[in-house]
Amino acid sequence: DAGITQSPRHKVTETGTPVTLRCHQTENHRYMYWYRQDPGHGLRLIHYSYGVKDTDKGEVSDGYSVSRSKTEDFLLTLESATSSQTSVYFCATGSLSGNTIYFGEGSWLTVV
Amino acid sequence: QQPVQSPQAVILREGEDAVINCSSSKALYSVHWYRQKHGEAPVFLMILLKGGEQKGHEKISASFNEKKQQSSLYLTASQLSYSGTYFCGTASSGGGADGLTFGKGTHLIIQP
Repeated sequence: DAGITQSPRHKVTETGTPVTLRCHQTENHRYMYWYRQDPGHGLRLIHYSYGVKDTDKGEVSDGYSVSRSKTEDFLLTLESATSSQTSVYFCATGSLSGNTIYFGEGSWLTVV
Repeated sequence: QQPVQSPQAVILREGEDAVINCSSSKALYSVHWYRQKHGEAPVFLMILLKGGEQKGHEKISASFNEKKQQSSLYLTASQLSYSGTYFCGTASSGGGADGLTFGKGTHLIIQP
């Protein structure tokens, strides 16, 4: 499995505050992804990156932004958190040759 | 569009067999299967590629019908450790750039 570390693992924040989740990988994988997981919806793609400074929107990108300044780090930012963004957030990485993706441990975010 | 998984849930006794299905409305390049236990990250089980190549878990088998855009996961002689939620993820092209689209999951409960 890829070495993927997410931080923070758990966070409670207030509506309207900015929040940044960090994903760090040690496998030198080119591709990185942020998914959110909610009951009844499964895993849904928020944003993805196909290289340093190369990012694109996924299925549920509204209210989220991302940045990737180094191969190993992929940041997800909620500019102004809302209660609908209470969720479990998973980072994932993939390499072209492996052709599948591996998940980090998850970050539990509660917006009150 | 999310792939459709069936059944939504299944309860088995230890030693029984199970089949989980995944169906897509789009042409597929690959199907990926994951298992997730409560409070943990999804864990990669198997990938099935267009053209018949498979990689994955020793004790789990799967099939991929490219023409019907369907895949099935076969769990034989189930063990207690097989309990969890199973997700299929699909990709319409190779390369891994834009990630996987996941179904809503199938909950599998194995009873002693």
